[in-house]
Amino acid sequence: GEDVEQSPFLSVREGDSSVINCTYTDSSSTYLYWYKQEPGAGLQLLTYIFSNMDMKQDQRLTVLLNKKDKHLSLRIADTQTGDSAIYFCAETGGFKTIFGAGTRLFVKA
Amino acid sequence: NAGVTQTPKFQVLKTGQSMTLQCAQDMNHNSMYWYRQDPGMGLRLIYYSASEGTTDKGEVPNGYNVSRLNKREFSLRLESAAPSQTSVYFCASSPLAGQGARGVETQYFGPGTRLLVL
Repeated sequence: GEDVEQSPFLSVREGDSSVINCTYTDSSSTYLYWYKQEPGAGLQLLTYIFSNMDMKQDQRLTVLLNKKDKHLSLRIADTQTGDSAIYFCAETGGFKTIFGAGTRLFVKA
Repeated sequence: NAGVTQTPKFQVLKTGQSMTLQCAQDMNHNSMYWYRQDPGMGLRLIYYSASEGTTDKGEVPNGYNVSRLNKREFSLRLESAAPSQTSVYFCASSPLAGQGARGVETQYFGPGTRLLVL
């Protein structure tokens, strides 16, 4: 079945760039998403990319999609302590959305 | 707008007890979902409702039942709680409707219910 995989942890220094990676298996994915979960809260959509795009930029966020390798990444420029959270990659191929297990981002001051 | 609300926020049950988790959304969304979140496993879909009056099983439906009471409300029931059901439960909603609906499926999540089954 479809699967979405992410590394469980990433640690960066404040002010550096963070790159969170994700791989997926569903070749019919049409939309890919990044959600953010802060402590004690539900997930909140950060950004999404349509599968016919290679890149999408939104302020400090840059999403890169390599459809051939089924690889998605989220780059956060000038990472701040407020960016500390769990980031989930997700994909929609049909009606169903599949979520990865999340990457916990630690930002060191 | 409150978005997606869930009650209760926390619950402790003994094995064998039953309870219903409530979820409501005020965004006039068609689709609603129940997920559980366990450490290292991300979100797993329990049940979903693509539109009022329909419900379908997700990845991990065993031990749960759901009711789509109306367009706003989607409840999750544990008939006989087990320790394996200790988890954080999230309700979500989406504007998309119907099986096979295509488009950006932004899901809006509630704050979660933390359930401990002893």
